[in-house]
Amino acid sequence: AQSVTQLDSQVPVFEEAPVELRCNYSSSVSVYLFWYVQYPNQGLQLLLKYLSGSTLVKGINGFEAEFNKSQTSFHLRKPSVHISDTAEYFCAVSALSGGYQKVTFGTGTKLQVIP
Amino acid sequence: DGGITQSPKYLFRKEGQNVTLSCEQNLNHDAMYWYRQDPGQGLRLIYYSQIVNDFQKGDIAEGYSVSREKKESFPLTVTSAQKNPTAFYLCASSTRQQMGYTFGSGTRLTVV
Repeated sequence: AQSVTQLDSQVPVFEEAPVELRCNYSSSVSVYLFWYVQYPNQGLQLLLKYLSGSTLVKGINGFEAEFNKSQTSFHLRKPSVHISDTAEYFCAVSALSGGYQKVTFGTGTKLQVIP
Repeated sequence: DGGITQSPKYLFRKEGQNVTLSCEQNLNHDAMYWYRQDPGQGLRLIYYSQIVNDFQKGDIAEGYSVSREKKESFPLTVTSAQKNPTAFYLCASSTRQQMGYTFGSGTRLTVV
């Protein structure tokens, strides 16, 4: 079984400040890792993904994440946030289970950017 | 442009009625999924389908039914057996290798 933990349900941050959204996972097999963003009343949009290779992954809108296997973490970072980054962010892990890639989502972190 | 279309965006249902949510994709993806989203609970998998004419229950399938007669379409029926159907429903698709989902824009269902 696999699981994803997003410890922070809400993160307020001032505009132009840096932000880190935390994600920890557990799995007994190799995983793929993802971050998605959701704006109000919309679907989720893929921000970035880690499949293999370099542990530092760059995504859209200036976000990046680092895969840390020893700490089973995949934290999302942005050096300077904008008002438009206000949204909910979901971490997800995909692992082979029963012959198909099963995806498990975290409960989400609401990022509130304060002017 | 390729993508996933969910309709309608908003849906109201009377108690005791069945209602069907539409999901169509033109990405040529093999796999399709239905998720339910409630505040503070993230996304919970209802049903998924990896190939036409085949689908499996997810974590919260009770009170829901699906069909997959065409590769492009994966409609979800919320039956009267679903005791708490008010939620935001998201459809997604992916390749078999599962390199990430493409999501639709969602349907918000309200029972009145």
